[in-house]
Formats: sequence, C-alpha cells, structure tokens
Amino acid sequence: DTAVSQTPKYLVTQMGNDKSIKCEQNLGHDTMYWYKQDSKKFLKIMFSYNNKELIINETVPNRFSPKSPDKAHLNLHINSLELGDSAVYFCASSQGASGANVLTFGAGSRLTVL
Amino acid sequence: GQSLEQPSEVTAVEGAIVQINCTYQTSGFYGLSWYQQHDGGAPTFLSYNALDGLEETGRFSSFLSRSDSYGYLLLQELQMKDSASYFCAVRPSNYQLIWGAGTKLIIKP
Repeated sequence: DTAVSQTPKYLVTQMGNDKSIKCEQNLGHDTMYWYKQDSKKFLKIMFSYNNKELIINETVPNRFSPKSPDKAHLNLHINSLELGDSAVYFCASSQGASGANVLTFGAGSRLTVL
Repeated sequence: GQSLEQPSEVTAVEGAIVQINCTYQTSGFYGLSWYQQHDGGAPTFLSYNALDGLEETGRFSSFLSRSDSYGYLLLQELQMKDSASYFCAVRPSNYQLIWGAGTKLIIKP
C-alpha cells in the first residue's frame, strides 16, 4: 500500500518534447507538492496545492503546469523540455496548513532530457 | 532572504555518535524538521522540533534552540545503513518549508 505513488519512475526524452508525471496519495492528506532535486541534491519547491487550490507557485518557467483534479492527485506537465529540466521530481503530501513540517514523499521520477 | 546552513559532509566511524548542525535565518518559525535520504531514494521524515529541547526517537535525537536559531540531529550507535544525506528544514509560514542543502554522512567501518 504505497502512500504517495508517482509515475513514471524514469523518463528519458529529447529536447523539445512534452512529458507528464502523475502523483496520487492515499493518506487522506489535503496538501500536495512538487519538488525538484537537481544533481547537487538541492530540494526546490515548485508548486503546492491545498484541496485543489494552488497555494505555492515558486519562480518556475511557465513550461511547467501543475494540475490537481482532486485533493488526492497532483500531476505535472512539462512543455518544450530543455536540458536543464533533467532532475528528479518528487511529489509529496501533508495534512493541513501546519502539516508542512511532516512531508511524505513519493519515490521520485527521474527525468533525463537528451 | 531565508536560509539554512548545514555542513556539506560529515564522516564518522561505525558505532560512534555524530552530530549534524543546522542554523537558520527565516522570516518566521514554526518548527525544524529533519529528513533522511539514501542515494537513489526519496527523503524520509525523521523528526520535528517546534519547542526548545531534545526529542528522542530510538537512536536518533533532535535538538532545538530557538533563541540561537540552531538545531542539530544526533545519531548514536552509527550503523552502515545510516550512510545517507540528512536535510534540515524550517517552516516559516503555513504550507512553506525552507530546506538546507543537505549533509552527506559518510560512515567508515
């Protein structure tokens, strides 16, 4: 029973292509996040949704578009992929406004742009 | 700006004790968390301090001093499986979490 599951685990694609990553959580949490971790392992918040409402939208190229159809799902679509988009993308979830201290992460989706 | 500072790398011997420090400078403070990440894996929550003092969870303990904007993670009886990166993170406001750059813990037999 995976708590936060994201697919696919690996993506290898060419520059200019479009790709999507899906995330689902079965913890009953109301807040979900997308993080990017680069090769230096720095974790950078990209987006956060609370009950389908966008609450955090960091400085991210508008080629990245999140969508949350319901509070258990958060997807990430990336248009016109660039070499610099290569990274591991983590989905995470938490409960409530004060719950951000305790995040549950998915296993990650490693994106390689060639 | 908001920032967290932690050592980039710490080396210790199996069976020993190691402390990983974290100092923070944030606009608000609603708790300091610690996460562990093994190579190729996802960050996993370890502990959380909202108030000053020591929190103990098995071999791991975490300490907070809000007046010093400082905390640390203490790992006792080190095992090879503890080799990982450890991240501190501070919640300055609702929903937000500011992360340190991570400390790579190397354990030698």
